[in-house]
This record gives sequence, C-alpha cells and structure tokens, in this order.
Amino acid sequence: DIVMTQSPDSLAVSLGERATINCKSSQSVLYSSNNKNYLAWYQQKPGQPPKLLIYWASSRESGVPDRFSGSGSGTNFTLTISSLQAEDVAVYYCHQYYNTPQTFGQGTKLEIK
Amino acid sequence: QVQLQESGPGLVKPSETLSLTCTVSGGSISSYYWSWIRQPPGKGLEWIGYIYYSGSTDYNPSLKSRVTISVDTSKNQFSLKLKSVTAADTAVYYCARHFSTYCGGGSCYPVPLHFDYWGQGTLVTVSS
Repeated sequence: DIVMTQSPDSLAVSLGERATINCKSSQSVLYSSNNKNYLAWYQQKPGQPPKLLIYWASSRESGVPDRFSGSGSGTNFTLTISSLQAEDVAVYYCHQYYNTPQTFGQGTKLEIK
Repeated sequence: QVQLQESGPGLVKPSETLSLTCTVSGGSISSYYWSWIRQPPGKGLEWIGYIYYSGSTDYNPSLKSRVTISVDTSKNQFSLKLKSVTAADTAVYYCARHFSTYCGGGSCYPVPLHFDYWGQGTLVTVSS
C-alpha cells in the first residue's frame, strides 16, 4: 500500500495569512507515461462529506476559489491557501489514486489563530 | 447535478452483515467507477472498494475477505455488503463517484481517478 503522511496534523493560521499543508507518499505517484501525479486534495467540514479541491496534484476543481492551489511531484506535495478565510476552517486530506488500495493521508485540521 | 444517497440500517449487531445501498440521481451510473469509503468517528478516511458499472470490482485487501460490492444499472444503484462486523466497523459510510475517464495519446480510457461526487454519508453503528 502507498502510505500518505500529512504534516502538520493541525495548523492554526490568522485570517488573511497563508496556510500550507504537506503530503508525502511512501512511493512516487507520478505516472511516467503521461507525466501526471495521481494525487488529489479534499476539504471536509464537520458533518459533511469531503469536497474535491485539487486533482492531478495541481488542477483546481471547477468552482473552487483560486486562493487554493496544489503543487509538488513524485512523493512530495503541498496544498496552499494563499489568504485564509473563516470558511476554510476544515480538515484537509490528500488522496492517491495511482494504484489500489487507494489511500488517504491522516488529515490536517486547519483552524483560525 | 449528480447526487448520491446512501441508505440502510443504522444499527447492526456484531457478527452480522452490514448492507448499504447508494442511489445515484441526476446522472447515469454507466461509464463510471463507484466506491465505498468509510470514516470511523473522529478519524480519517478508508477506501473500501470500487465497482465499475460493468460489474468489475476491486477491494481493499484489509477488508477483501468480508466485502462484496454489486451494481444494479436498471435502478442506478450500487451496494455494499460487509459481513462478520465488529465494533471496529462502526463508521460513517460514504458512497462516491470516481472521475473515470483519462484521455491521452489520442485515446480515452476508463480509469478510477479522483472522487468528484460524494454522498452525505450514513452512520452505521455495530452494537448488540
């Protein structure tokens, strides 16, 4: 199984400041034949299902604010929120769909400082 | 707009079989991969398995011996059965759709990619 490890486990950021969440995979999720990273990011608010933010490591899902961005390749990835808004308080998960079993990071809880 | 809705008993006794159904509306179940994912209270997400509309499946090895996922295209539904449950199976169970087409090199292929639609989830408690 590909183990996904997020850091930090929790994060407190002031409104308007940048938030950065990291995700490391135990093996590369970059498919060499198409040069795509099989990595997605989701946001989960209390009592709600996860919501897709980013796929292919850096492609923003339609309707997701442009303050959310994804970067990285191979085994190291980052989700960045450029200017934290109150509605961004949530748990964020990375997800690899490179192979099965598909696996998730343990989650990073983002709060307001 | 595609919508997914889980249904089934919220309480299952230990050693019995958990059975859930996901009904897809606003779109066809055809040409997509569909998954079950669970989340124990206060914990992270675990992929259980997926099914392609044609019926092919893949399961998480950690649950494979106990899991069966099936599809009924005539009802636009797919289902989960998890047998011999214990308290460790208590979780919110989600059904979700995979974005399922990769196009490259002039061809398109069905592949289970990221999850683009999720159900609201249903809490299943295993207790006597």
